[in-house]
Amino acid sequence: EVQLVESGGGLIQPGGSLRLSCAASGFTVSSNYMSWVRQAPGKGLEWVSVTYSGGSSDYADSVKGRFTISRDKAKNTLYLQMNSLRAEDTAVYYCASQLGSPLYFDYWGQGTLVTVSS
Amino acid sequence: IVLTQSPGTLSLSPGERATLSCRASQSISSSYLAWYQQKPGQAPRLLIYGASSRATGIPDRFSGSGSGTDFTLTISRLEPEDFAVYYCHQYGSSPLYTFGQGTKLEIK
Repeated sequence: EVQLVESGGGLIQPGGSLRLSCAASGFTVSSNYMSWVRQAPGKGLEWVSVTYSGGSSDYADSVKGRFTISRDKAKNTLYLQMNSLRAEDTAVYYCASQLGSPLYFDYWGQGTLVTVSS
Repeated sequence: IVLTQSPGTLSLSPGERATLSCRASQSISSSYLAWYQQKPGQAPRLLIYGASSRATGIPDRFSGSGSGTDFTLTISRLEPEDFAVYYCHQYGSSPLYTFGQGTKLEIK
């Protein structure tokens, strides 16, 4: 059974850093596309970043240069390092797998809330 | 590419038919269009991919159709658990993945 469990969210001051984790089970993270998608309070969904099975990655313009996606093969875990955080980064962050195809997100974690505020 | 969903809110009763629209600002491949359902406090759930293929475990009252710039999610006969927010989504170029703003399906 595929499971994704995020952790690492919390309250952080503007300009601060935070690392989110997404522990996966039921499949191998490093062999698949994996993404982070966020949702600001009361708003819609926004794709943030993807890591490809080959190891490269891509980012939304809104986070490029500030966020870094990575994965640990031994821990079967996906990460999102978030630096220079802004108030507008406040959101629930979901990790999502793309096991069936790179074109859509087939399994989602429960999300972790990041609040950027002084 | 911008995805525009309509209506913003749809008020219907259980047993009725729901038709949700997603319009793309440019023509997209049907393979690139998906639909998700999100209930309050929960993560989104994949319903439809490739514009018309149901994801694993999705009841057959959910169906997707469309091509080019116009896509539709139809729920043939609403069940109480179907009242939620629905998002269309496309794989594109910049940004790689885009969502519509959502349609809230509420109980009338």
